[in-house]
Amino acid sequence: QVQLVESGGGVVQPGRSLRLYCATSGFTLSDYGMHWVRQAPGKGPEWVAVVSFDGTKIYYGDSVKGRFTISRDTSKNTLYLQMDSLRPEDTAVYYCAKGGFGLWPTNLWFESWGQGAVVTVSS
Amino acid sequence: DIQMTQSPSTLSAFVGDRVTITCRASQSISNWLAWYQQKPGRAPKLLIYQASRLQSGVPSRFSGSGSGTEFTLTISNLQPDDFAAYYCQQFKSFPLTFGGGTKVEIK
Repeated sequence: QVQLVESGGGVVQPGRSLRLYCATSGFTLSDYGMHWVRQAPGKGPEWVAVVSFDGTKIYYGDSVKGRFTISRDTSKNTLYLQMDSLRPEDTAVYYCAKGGFGLWPTNLWFESWGQGAVVTVSS
Repeated sequence: DIQMTQSPSTLSAFVGDRVTITCRASQSISNWLAWYQQKPGRAPKLLIYQASRLQSGVPSRFSGSGSGTEFTLTISNLQPDDFAAYYCQQFKSFPLTFGGGTKVEIK
């Protein structure tokens, strides 16, 4: 079955960097778009970034554009989120999520989710 | 950006009730809409995609309808396990956006 396991979260000072990892199993990473979605304490989910099934298309949410970088390594079945210039408002649980089946970009829902990685940005 | 507005923000209901949650988009999104359920401390769970298609394994008491700018999630015969927060999400265009959520509470 599909498994998504995030790691790399922690406490970091404003302006510093952090890299999140999402280990995937149970499906072929190169067959699906993969997303990062975050949720600040007490708030609803916020979409962060996506990499397409073939790795050729990448999109970001406005609040992280220019600071965060999504990538993947299909040989390691791993999705990454490099987070630079972190701000207190980036504090959240970060989920990796597997996209839906079907043709890109008609399949941009979040079919499976990991358990989340907690990121706290504070001095 | 496409804004998604859910109502109500909180809903109190009895076990066995039929409840309806509404989601409105700021512009037409055809049927590019999904619904999620989230319980405290857990990741969201996909219920419905493409406005009305039930995700595998989701009980049939959940149903979705609508197109264009107005959508509904209906839970018939509300069960104790259904008390949770519910979110809609549009995937018509980037950035992908969620509604503000509806919390379904026990009455």
